[in-house]
Amino acid sequence: NAGVTQTPKFRVLKTGQSMTLLCAQDMNHEYMYWYRQDPGMGLRLIHYSVGEGTTAKGEVPDGYNVSRLKKQNFLLGLESAAPSQTSVYFCASTDTRTEAFFGQGTRLTVV
Amino acid sequence: GQNIDQPTEMTATEGAIVQINCTYQTSGFNGLFWYQQHAGEAPTFLSYNVLDGLEEKGRFSSFLSRSKGYSYLLLKELQMKDSASYLCGPTWAGNNRKLIWGLGTSLAVNP
Repeated sequence: NAGVTQTPKFRVLKTGQSMTLLCAQDMNHEYMYWYRQDPGMGLRLIHYSVGEGTTAKGEVPDGYNVSRLKKQNFLLGLESAAPSQTSVYFCASTDTRTEAFFGQGTRLTVV
Repeated sequence: GQNIDQPTEMTATEGAIVQINCTYQTSGFNGLFWYQQHAGEAPTFLSYNVLDGLEEKGRFSSFLSRSKGYSYLLLKELQMKDSASYLCGPTWAGNNRKLIWGLGTSLAVNP
């Protein structure tokens, strides 16, 4: 069982570059989430999805876009990366019957 | 808002007992997650409380008071490996599974 898989695990971007982070889950979960975690700030919700084709804003959505074209995948996009987006990004998935399962994280540095 | 409050840092001694508290907004409250996160790793599930009272799982127990908007995580017979951050995550009915978290409590277990 793979659970929740994030791709890539590490990335260094230059300011202004774009990239997409992929989250894939094989548990048929309805709900998926993208978080960023910074020292002293805890896990902050960027965007989330309550089903295929749906997305919603979380606590810190600015500068990010998401898509959920397939139930198992949740993509997080940075159109024009900024140093303030340097962070560890976590994806999670769940449904109404289980706890949330997290991916192993993506460490992104924007220089 | 849905303020989630937990202490930032705690220190305890190996073999001792520690209690980590969490308070949250009660309006529409559904249930509450506790997760453990070791440095550089993904959060992992500890407990989910829906009903009032204490639930015990080995060395870890979690308590919930729905009317007071209060929960705690109790760790007994502390071990060095319990040094980690502990995340409190309440859920509220009708918020479309918007899963958000407190800032986390960093626990240091000393020999």
